[in-house]
Amino acid sequence: GAGVSQSPSNKVTEKGKDVELRCDPISGHTALYWYRQRLGQGLEFLIYFQGNSAPDKSGLPSDRFSAERTGESVSTLTIQRTQQEDSAVYLCASSPEFLRVGQPQHFGDGTRLSIL
Amino acid sequence: SQQGEEDPQALSIQEGENATMNCSYKTSINNLQWYRQNSGRGLVHLILIRSNEREKHSGRLRVTLDTSKKSSSLLITASRAADTASYFCATVRHTGTASKLTFGTGTRLQVTL
Repeated sequence: GAGVSQSPSNKVTEKGKDVELRCDPISGHTALYWYRQRLGQGLEFLIYFQGNSAPDKSGLPSDRFSAERTGESVSTLTIQRTQQEDSAVYLCASSPEFLRVGQPQHFGDGTRLSIL
Repeated sequence: SQQGEEDPQALSIQEGENATMNCSYKTSINNLQWYRQNSGRGLVHLILIRSNEREKHSGRLRVTLDTSKKSSSLLITASRAADTASYFCATVRHTGTASKLTFGTGTRLQVTL
């Protein structure tokens, strides 16, 4: 399987707990994106990594959200002190290079996060 | 914030009919992409149209772009039950050294036998 892989596929946790979501992009893809999708809604941009450049964190909704990426490989999205409003599907996507050349994004199947 | 707004929000048609979905956006763009999302899955890229293009075809898909009206349409001809999914437009805008892909709110398409 050469697609984008996300884990876990489902996560149920209690309010106030921290959660860590993982994304394995397609090998060789330098750009990686995280989105949040609430039930029945479109995608909300969270953060974008491109190679060794500083990430674009402009979409992170609060300081409880953070993300890291090691080189051009795995990324983790961490949500601290989860709230019920954080319940959503978190989607990761990767693309071969900078969007400037109009590359499409390749998506994982997401992590469905439920906060009790 | 969502730049693209799809219309209609939901569409129900019978197999064999054509389905048309529209997308409007607010700012200038470099290209526009359409994606499909099956229930419980990630998005799958369907087609990309650049800002200097007006129409593009791919199999049963036809996409138009009118930059003067800031709108795009996706036409699926001879629909099949397997086309049932949500469809999203996404605009790409380059600003300095960054680019943003901004998704619309989606159209839920139901194709019945």
